[in-house]
Amino acid sequence: DIQMAQSPSSLSASVGDRVTITCQASQDINDYLNWYQLKPGKAPKLLIYDANHLKTGVPSRFSGSGSGTHFTFTISSLQPEDIATYYCQQYGDLPPRLTFGGGTKVEIK
Amino acid sequence: QLHLQESGPGLVKPSETLSLTCTVSGGSIRSGTYYWGWIRQPPGKGLEWIGTIFYTGTSYYNPSLKSRVAMSVDTSTKQFSLNLSSVTAADTAVYYCARLDGLYVFDNWGQGTPVTVSS
Repeated sequence: DIQMAQSPSSLSASVGDRVTITCQASQDINDYLNWYQLKPGKAPKLLIYDANHLKTGVPSRFSGSGSGTHFTFTISSLQPEDIATYYCQQYGDLPPRLTFGGGTKVEIK
Repeated sequence: QLHLQESGPGLVKPSETLSLTCTVSGGSIRSGTYYWGWIRQPPGKGLEWIGTIFYTGTSYYNPSLKSRVAMSVDTSTKQFSLNLSSVTAADTAVYYCARLDGLYVFDNWGQGTPVTVSS
């Protein structure tokens, strides 16, 4: 199975800061990576698909990059409503064996 | 606008079967593009994919759960279901249903339903 190492597990930043989260795949997954936002009591949201495609309606301060084994998720200017836990998810296997990173909890300093 | 809603018992006894249903509204469950899936999050832990099903019944399961999982679809009621047998405390989690765009991208999620396994 493909494993995803996500870091950091948590971070604290100020409003307006640039925030970066990374995911490292245990093997080459091309650009088969998505990013999600989870808030307690709410339906999780897809933010980025195929490594760098912003889902329609998602603010442009969110972005993703990378391919192969190393991926990055960035919030260009952290906003109070971005307080959440973010997860990467890979889909490099056939038949599908979908796995998630361990998550990054983002808090406001 | 697509809406998914999980339903089912919040408490299940050890060794019994956990049964959940997801009701789809605001869209078709018979789409040739979308699959339907279940994901769970144990307390204090990350997300785990459980399985995925197409409206025809074609399904894919997480190998670590495959021996205990069964999913089904009822197109007449626009629902899909999860059965997880022989549960233990380790199956205590928030269970989410979701739509997948193709086989790989969870593009719409339900709010999740907590399930506790305890006697």
